[in-house]
Amino acid sequence: DGGITQSPKYLFRKEGQNVTLSCEQNLNHDAMYWYRQDPGQGLRLIYYSQIVNDFQKGDIAEGYSVSREKKESFPLTVTSAQKNPTAFYLCASSFTGPTLYGYTFGSGTRLTVV
Amino acid sequence: QKEVEQDPGPLSVPEGAIVSLNCTYSNSAFQYFMWYRQYSRKGPELLMYTYSSGNKEDGRFTAQVDKSSKYISLFIRDSQPSDSATYLCAMSDHRGSQGNLIFGKGTKLSVKP
Repeated sequence: DGGITQSPKYLFRKEGQNVTLSCEQNLNHDAMYWYRQDPGQGLRLIYYSQIVNDFQKGDIAEGYSVSREKKESFPLTVTSAQKNPTAFYLCASSFTGPTLYGYTFGSGTRLTVV
Repeated sequence: QKEVEQDPGPLSVPEGAIVSLNCTYSNSAFQYFMWYRQYSRKGPELLMYTYSSGNKEDGRFTAQVDKSSKYISLFIRDSQPSDSATYLCAMSDHRGSQGNLIFGKGTKLSVKP
């Protein structure tokens, strides 16, 4: 079955540590996205990528980094520069082109700073 | 003014009630409108998709778009406890392939047996 897989489901980070969240899709989607979700804040766009080896900052990119070396994969690194990283992180993917069909989301990674 | 406004609720209704969820928006260029359902600790899933104006029905769910009023609605008939979730509206002007979805903050719905 086609889908989008995020791992791990739960992740704990110590102060000053970088951590990487994985996102893999087998939907042959061109575009991939990372969102952060906090209670009462809705979905906030961190980074997105329309094609391999290219990505753009979203609304809250500071303290995060991404790479897009393969069409199927879009890992997100939460760096020590992100001062408040505890949140629910969602990865999504979609086709690009003249018609927008919506995004397919992964099941999320809950990151907690300990 | 935020681009998309959505009442966060929470909204609590008895089983069998008709539920009305709404979003308003400010960008008249939006032409793609969607509703996502998100269960607790899960990713959102696409529930309804509408292009431009009009109504769309799928089982117990009806999506309405009124572009003149910049207002979209999702109606749930004969609501069930399994409908308890957060509902997010989303929309885009999708200029070529560059448009990104703009999400509302979500309305939390609880359907009581």
